Amino acid sequence: DTGVSQDPRHKITKRGQNVTFRCDPISEHNRLYWYRQTLGQGPEFLTYFQNEAQLEKSRLLSDRFSAERPKGSFSTLEIQRTEQGDSAMYLCASSPSTGWEAFFGQGTRLTVV
Amino acid sequence: AQSVAQPEDQVNVAEGNPLTVKCTYSVSGNPYLFWYVQYPNRGLQFLLKYITGDNLVKGSYGFEAEFNKSQTSFHLKKPSALVSDSALYFCAVRGFSGGYNKLIFGAGTRLAVHP
Repeated sequence: DTGVSQDPRHKITKRGQNVTFRCDPISEHNRLYWYRQTLGQGPEFLTYFQNEAQLEKSRLLSDRFSAERPKGSFSTLEIQRTEQGDSAMYLCASSPSTGWEAFFGQGTRLTVV
Repeated sequence: AQSVAQPEDQVNVAEGNPLTVKCTYSVSGNPYLFWYVQYPNRGLQFLLKYITGDNLVKGSYGFEAEFNKSQTSFHLKKPSALVSDSALYFCAVRGFSGGYNKLIFGAGTRLAVHP
């Protein structure tokens, strides 16, 4: 499978715990995006990487959220001190430098109890 | 600021009938427009895009979309709906801010195709 891969697919955590999600983009894609989707809503942009550089962060990304993309390959999204409002589907997408459409992974569904 | 509006929360259509899912956009400059489909508990799948050229764009699974600059619309269409087309459809526009690009999505339209 050469698509975007996300792990885990589902995560249930207690409020206050830290969680980390991983995204493996399509190998030749240098652009990587994180989005958050809540029930009944469209995906909301969180952050954007070009290679290893994090070039843009949404105001939605509070200080509890951090994302990395070491060596411009896979990316991780960490949420510290999770809150119930963090419950959502977290989507990762990648695109090549010469294309315009983004290709999405299947997402990680986070439930904070 | 760039934005996308999908005025219908849900569209119901009988199998075999034509379907239209509406999208209007607001951008400064030339619009780059996209349609994605989402099945339950899945990520988004790319259907089609308009960058430039013909106003009628053909995409995956028999879908097409018509770009109308004067009406700032990019409606998704299919001549004959299938039950398997039932899903959540998102229109998106590529926005540029701070020199960087990202997709800005509408709220989505649920398509229900009835046998």
